[in-house]
Amino acid sequence: SSELIQPLSVSVALGQTARLTCEREDIRSKAVQWYQQKTGQAPLLVIYKDKDRPSGVPDRFSGSNSGNAATLTISGVQAEDEADYYCQLWDNRVIFGGGTKLTVL
Amino acid sequence: QLQLQESGPGLVKPSETLSLTCTVSGGSISIHSYFWGWIRQPPGKGLEWIGSIFYSGNTYFNPSLKSRVDISVDTSQNQFSLKLTSVSAADTAVYYCARHYWAAAGRPFDSWGQGTLVTVSS
Repeated sequence: SSELIQPLSVSVALGQTARLTCEREDIRSKAVQWYQQKTGQAPLLVIYKDKDRPSGVPDRFSGSNSGNAATLTISGVQAEDEADYYCQLWDNRVIFGGGTKLTVL
Repeated sequence: QLQLQESGPGLVKPSETLSLTCTVSGGSISIHSYFWGWIRQPPGKGLEWIGSIFYSGNTYFNPSLKSRVDISVDTSQNQFSLKLTSVSAADTAVYYCARHYWAAAGRPFDSWGQGTLVTVSS
């Protein structure tokens, strides 16, 4: 399938580690991006090319891509990390995942 | 600092054409490494890419929307525009313009406008 599959929601306690997944067959062959979208705001690029962070993005955000899943890891989750997260790749067109709502407990 | 700003009508009637413009400031639209894209988000739903354009006019479109979409660029005004024809309620969404980093693997969108809500209703 060409779709990107993300869990609808993930919950994590403050200060713990959140792992958000993005699944597609052989996704490791593609460069994956991650966007953070807070309520009422435009998306913000937080990871590109699987694991690179744009300037200004905290280093608690990291990414990996292996096999059939790419993962966004947020270490030491902060309250301000509560948001929707979308994965994206290029496969002759732009494809976005359905998004994961991260709740910080 | 690069800024993108969407503009256009917030209300469009069914079967008519949705028209939006994105004005780029703080940088030139005529840069070889970048395309310029449109993305939309229906209320409460996820992101959907509409299409992207290079300053020379080369375009790429989402196959599911291609038959109804036109994207153009005006380098003299540092703007690019979207037209979506034959709209219906399903086209109600927040429409974003964004810089599309074509030169990077994965082609990320690295700068976004604030978005503009377009409602399709009679």
